[in-house]
Amino acid sequence: GENVEQHPSTLSVQEGDSAVIKCTYSDSASNYFPWYKQELGKRPQLIIDIRSNVGEKKDQRIAVTLNKTAKHFSLHITETQPEDSAVYFCAAYTGGFKTIFGAGTRLFVKA
Amino acid sequence: GAVVSQHPSRVICKSGTSVKIECRSLDFQATTMFWYRQFPKKSLMLMATSNEGSKATYEQGVEKDKFLINHASLTLSTLTVTSAHPEDSSFYICSAGPTGVYGYTFGSGTRLTVV
Repeated sequence: GENVEQHPSTLSVQEGDSAVIKCTYSDSASNYFPWYKQELGKRPQLIIDIRSNVGEKKDQRIAVTLNKTAKHFSLHITETQPEDSAVYFCAAYTGGFKTIFGAGTRLFVKA
Repeated sequence: GAVVSQHPSRVICKSGTSVKIECRSLDFQATTMFWYRQFPKKSLMLMATSNEGSKATYEQGVEKDKFLINHASLTLSTLTVTSAHPEDSSFYICSAGPTGVYGYTFGSGTRLTVV
């Protein structure tokens, strides 16, 4: 089955710096890769996603890149702000629309 | 649009009792609902996939007799934790869809504590 690995597990940056979170997946049939932000005790919120026919997607300060050949995708957050502090999960959609999540990255943005 | 309501948000129960968690899609019909479990500071682990009118498909290692899932209508799925034990204490979240081609929306989650 699909396996999604996510790194780093913890990331601490200064306000205004960029943050990059990387994920790899194992199932070449996976074709959709969402990223979720989860604040403590709350539901995960979709922040950006990318489909397998696209290499890069950007939405304001957030961008995602996908390398299908290498089976890895990354989340880039620029000009980080304290409110970006949360746990971020990458995920991959397998056949049957099951979503397999990475282990999560706890992002701390220091003011 | 695409709102998913999950109840209760928090529940405390005694060991040996059963707890039912509801997941409702409020403004769309959800042919598929997923149930996840999340331990503190851990990722979401898929427990089962529930398709309306069919038996749920459980992930490896998940006891189907312990975690009963019912998806009787296009707007409601329930997860019943039977004979709960302290190790069942966790955060349970449902996800319903599809909304669009790939969209699935999460419920607000249920924090279960078994004492």
